[in-house]
Amino acid sequence: GAVVSQHPSWVICKSGTSVKIECRSLDFQATTMFWYRQFPKQSLMLMATSNEGSKATYEQGVEKDKFLINHASLTLSTLTVTSAHPEDSSFYICSASGQNEQFFGPGTRLTVL
Amino acid sequence: AQSVTQLDSQVPVFEEAPVELRCNYSSSVSVYLFWYVQYPNQGLQLLLKYLSGSTLVKGINGFEAEFNKSQTSFHLRKPSVHISDTAEYFCAVSKSVGPGGYQKVTFGIGTKLQVIP
Repeated sequence: GAVVSQHPSWVICKSGTSVKIECRSLDFQATTMFWYRQFPKQSLMLMATSNEGSKATYEQGVEKDKFLINHASLTLSTLTVTSAHPEDSSFYICSASGQNEQFFGPGTRLTVL
Repeated sequence: AQSVTQLDSQVPVFEEAPVELRCNYSSSVSVYLFWYVQYPNQGLQLLLKYLSGSTLVKGINGFEAEFNKSQTSFHLRKPSVHISDTAEYFCAVSKSVGPGGYQKVTFGIGTKLQVIP
């Protein structure tokens, strides 16, 4: 299957700072990428759909001004958590759309102190 | 809209015993079906998928699943579990959306499989 990477894998930051998470498709071009959030002992919840060269589509209840998504190339999408607070602490997972399935990254653990 | 139901939040099973993790879905259109495994602090690993064809799908690590359209189920099975199978298992459905035809995925809440030595 295709390989998707995320960087960083783990980040700890102070409340009020911004954090950028990168998602890269390593061996294929992804027109569409997705960002998910997973709270402890819960399932993955789709936050937004990231389309290369256009604005991201956010799911209901997700603040687009807080979770900035940029998909500037066919292999890179970034999620920036602006002015992070402790309640933003979570596991963030990205995926890239293939022909019949999505390929998931390894996830980024964000801890906001 | 599509939805996925995993009825069992936790399934304890003794090592070398068989296991079945249940998954039911609902959708007004044809969907693809997946099972993923997640180990602690890691991303998702695809176990198996059903796109079309044979309703019995074999995946990695000795797992298999059977697509039952009439019962809208896609239960995951393994005849003999190992300690290393202890993990969280997610059932998911996807359908093609948008002009680009990308796959939008909906996940179940997950089932924690705990293998007891």
